[in-house]
Amino acid sequence: AQKITQTQPGMFVQEKEAVTLDCTYDTSDQSYGLFWYKQPSSGEMIFLIYQGSYDEQNATEGRYSLNFQKARKSANLVISASQLGDSAMYFCAMRESYSGGGADGLTFGKGTHLIIQP
Amino acid sequence: DGGITQSPKYLFRKEGQNVTLSCEQNLNHDAMYWYRQDPGQGLRLIYYSQIVNDFQKGDIAEGYSVSREKKESFPLTVTSAQKNPTAFYLCASSILDTYSNQPQHFGDGTRLSIL
Repeated sequence: AQKITQTQPGMFVQEKEAVTLDCTYDTSDQSYGLFWYKQPSSGEMIFLIYQGSYDEQNATEGRYSLNFQKARKSANLVISASQLGDSAMYFCAMRESYSGGGADGLTFGKGTHLIIQP
Repeated sequence: DGGITQSPKYLFRKEGQNVTLSCEQNLNHDAMYWYRQDPGQGLRLIYYSQIVNDFQKGDIAEGYSVSREKKESFPLTVTSAQKNPTAFYLCASSILDTYSNQPQHFGDGTRLSIL
């Protein structure tokens, strides 16, 4: 079973509209972290936002916010006032059991290709 | 500027040949990682290292090898045993702390193709 599911392979959005990118995850751990990354066509991975499983508030970073619904195992990324430069692949990722220390790798979803139209 | 440098940007390999991808970081991070990305897919973990002279296999380690002789360097060798090496390879690093909630920072990647 996939640990990270992103159900939207591609999305077209008008510039200046808000957009929500879906992410659901599967884990039996109580302690985990959720990350969103942006990958432009050039290939580099850009960190956007982080949410810890014990965080009570939804994370926000500028135009990015995370709609975290723990009971539904959902961590959707919301981009407000979209811009042409937001066109890219977006990946949701999870690290499990981080409270025990260490630095295991991230588990990634397959991504959503977001295209912002003028 | 601090960051992660991967080289080369493009690499071509002949059948039966080993090739080594370079990854250097000057962020003073303890942890380093190698991921593979296939077209239309997310990243998959190959190897990771938390400390010099120690490393762990990820989900798809077969056909790959790594070394960690220096804190700032984590080269990846794609061996001839890797039957389908054509992919985009990304190196990352992060701070290592008790709760490991630090994001991973990525290099610009190396595109490997088979001739």
